[in-house]
Amino acid sequence: DGGITQSPKYLFRKEGQNVTLSCEQNLNHDAMYWYRQDPGQGLRLIYYSQIVNDFQKGDIAEGYSVSREKKESFPLTVTSAQKNPTAFYLCASRRGGRTDTQYFGPGTRLTVL
Amino acid sequence: GESVGLHLPTLSVQEGDNSIINCAYSNSASDYFIWYKQESGKGPQFIIDIRSNMDKRQGQRVTVLLNKTVKHLSLQIAATQPGDSAVYFCAEEGSGGSYIPTFGRGTSLIVHP
Repeated sequence: DGGITQSPKYLFRKEGQNVTLSCEQNLNHDAMYWYRQDPGQGLRLIYYSQIVNDFQKGDIAEGYSVSREKKESFPLTVTSAQKNPTAFYLCASRRGGRTDTQYFGPGTRLTVL
Repeated sequence: GESVGLHLPTLSVQEGDNSIINCAYSNSASDYFIWYKQESGKGPQFIIDIRSNMDKRQGQRVTVLLNKTVKHLSLQIAATQPGDSAVYFCAEEGSGGSYIPTFGRGTSLIVHP
């Protein structure tokens, strides 16, 4: 099946720890995105990447880091510098042009203990 | 700054009724609009999109209307079913070339059997 997978579905982090959220797609999409979703709010962009080995900060990049070493993978690391990391994290991808649909993964719920 | 928002946070309807979910946008440069459906604990699913050179587009049981004069977007769902219960949110993109959509907060649609 083609699609976007995110793992794990649920993740618990102790304060001061870094954690990495996985996002993989087999759609051969060029662009990939990470969003954060909090209750009652719209999706906020953390980072995005339009091609391999290149990525740009979104609106709320502080405390997060990403890499794009392979076309199909765009992992997000939530660092200890992120003061309020408890949220639902969504990864998305699109083929390339703006006229192409953006597809979302199932999400990872991160909770800080 | 520019924003995309929804008029009603919650909409309750009876099964079989038609539902209308509204969205106001303020960026006059936006020329591509998308509606997503998000079920609890899952990633958003694409429903339908519309470009600014159109004022209406129909899908299966869904219709999107675009009124550029008043910067208003609506999603109509015909014969609403319990499975339609979810959060619906709109997104808009401008013509700036960065291909980054702006998302609204969402409307929760509750369908009563």
